[in-house]
Amino acid sequence: DAGVTQSPTHLIKTRGQQVTLRCSPKSGHDTVSWYQQALGQGPQFIFQYYEEEERQRGNFPDRFSGHQFPNYSSELNVNALLLGDSALYLCASSPPMGTNYEQYFGPGTRLTVT
Amino acid sequence: AQSVTQPDIHITVSEGASLELRCNYSYGATPYLFWYVQSPGQGLQLLLKYFSGDTLVQGIKGFEAEFKRSQSSFNLRKPSVHWSDAAEYFCAVEDTGRRALTFGSGTRLQVQP
Repeated sequence: DAGVTQSPTHLIKTRGQQVTLRCSPKSGHDTVSWYQQALGQGPQFIFQYYEEEERQRGNFPDRFSGHQFPNYSSELNVNALLLGDSALYLCASSPPMGTNYEQYFGPGTRLTVT
Repeated sequence: AQSVTQPDIHITVSEGASLELRCNYSYGATPYLFWYVQSPGQGLQLLLKYFSGDTLVQGIKGFEAEFKRSQSSFNLRKPSVHWSDAAEYFCAVEDTGRRALTFGSGTRLQVQP
């Protein structure tokens, strides 16, 4: 089992550009959550996808959007990038409700906006 | 809204010494509680979790944590620290069943030889 995988590992973008980050959940998991971790801070919840729909959202603007595919993998899209979007973006997956619950985190994608 | 406070930004302990990292949460009911560890440039690894039942929970790598409802605390402990324990530690709370974690700002642990 490969666990949660994310791509790319690192990314450098310019202000105003758009970026797409990808996440493959752990085998058997159906829920994917995205978190933003700024330098020196704890992760902040962006949103969560289940059954290909956004089920919950944190306090992030509409520039942040996502998608979940039938195979449960997910994308995070950020439009009109700002310098403040520079952070480590973490994807976490969790198993179906009622099972031994835990969120498994991927290694993250380091986004730098210049 | 729920919140998590980790009062200690940075802690330094000697190898072999005991460790306690503090975590306080604000939540109306009994939340799900977690401790994660993050090594530099890495993702988060779950150390332990509390859902209900026994208030003293055992985790991986010799860590344990105790849930104290009266103090709204969930402190992490280890009796003897190893140099490999140097990392960032995050306490997190989940609004029961919502699967969206709220994290504290973290405690950086440094281990002296």
